[in-house]
Order: sequence, then C-alpha cells, then structure tokens
Amino acid sequence: AQTVTQSQPEMSVQEAETVTLSCTYDTSESDYYLFWYKQPPSRQMILVIRQEAYKQQNATENRFSVNFQKAAKSFSLKISDSQLGDAAMYFCALRTGTASKLTFGTGTRLQVTL
Amino acid sequence: ETGVTQTPRHLVMGMTNKKSLKCEQHLGHNAMYWYKQSAKKPLELMFVYNFKEQTENNSVPSRFSPECPNSSHLFLHLHTLQPEDSALYLCASSHLLGTARNEQFFGPGTRLTVL
Repeated sequence: AQTVTQSQPEMSVQEAETVTLSCTYDTSESDYYLFWYKQPPSRQMILVIRQEAYKQQNATENRFSVNFQKAAKSFSLKISDSQLGDAAMYFCALRTGTASKLTFGTGTRLQVTL
Repeated sequence: ETGVTQTPRHLVMGMTNKKSLKCEQHLGHNAMYWYKQSAKKPLELMFVYNFKEQTENNSVPSRFSPECPNSSHLFLHLHTLQPEDSALYLCASSHLLGTARNEQFFGPGTRLTVL
C-alpha cells in the first residue's frame, strides 16, 4: 500500500515571493511517479508538474519546480514569483508503475496576498 | 467542447431519488475514472474503466452504479443515497492503462448534496 502525506493544510505567500509546499510519501515499489495537481476555486483539477522516480534531475515547469529527495521520500513543490492565479488547493499524488490508481494527499490550500 | 466535461455541475437530491452523473471526454483516451472528493479527506478512487470494461471497484456501495457505454462516456447512477454521500464527484480520463505516462485529466466535478 502507498500513502501520501501533506502536513500543511494551509499556506500563505505574498505576490512575487516564493513558497514551498511539502509532501512525503511511502511506497515499497521502485517504479513510481509523483505529481502535483492544482485545484482552483473553479474546481477543475489540473496537472502542474510530474516527476519520474528513476530520474535524478528535479522536474521544472516555468515557475514551478520540485525538490525530489528519493531516499527521504520527499517531494516538495516550489512556486517562484507567486501570482494571484496560483491561489488554489494543491494535491500531491503518487502512482506506482503502470497501475491505474493515483494516491492523493489531503491537499494544501495556498493563499496569495498582495 | 474540449477536455473532460461533467454534467450537472450541481445536484441536490433526496435519499429516495434516482439520478445520474455524466462525464464525457474529448481527448481520445481509453481509460476513465470516478473519484469522490470529501472535505478534508484525500480523493478516493471509486471506479476505473479501460476500453469500456470495469477494471477496478474500490469497495464502493451498490447504491453507486457506474456505466461506460463507450470510451468517451462514463455515467454514475445514484439511488437511495445517504447524506454522507454528499461530496464533489470528479471524473478523469487517461490514455491506455498499463503505459507508464498515463496522466489523468480531470473534469470540473459535480457537487452532490443528499438531503
């Protein structure tokens, strides 16, 4: 069985600043994928960034980057130059190998202030 | 329409009603999913369909009945629900199961309230 833990129910960041959202996971599989999803108030869940466990290099998508620490089973999301549109619920998720199931954390609500 | 669409967006029903949720994907995917999202809980996978065949049922009560007539459409038929079934129901789709990068794309969800 796999688990995903997000220990920060809420976070706040000022516009243009940087924020890091934490995620830890547990799995006995060696082949797995990690994801960060964003769910804005409109509720459509969209994929922000993906990391393959076999890749040592941290994934980056524009202002979004991850810090993937495989030994520590940690997968944090860093948002640089935060914008008002970044305000949303952020979910960390894990999928093992070619399995269909995504295991989600409980989410972190990010507020962006002026 | 693009992506994954869901109707209705909001639904209020009594415990004795029968209603259906509809999901449609326009992405050419082969797999479709139903998730339940309750407050302060992780998303719960309910059902998975691959090429119209159900491949997972995560111990979902029989008052939820899925139907997948083709790879583009997915329904969730509801009957004699309980108030604790009130939640956001999300549909998702992805490419062929069993491939490494079958990223899931989500619909906007149906907010269900059971009175």
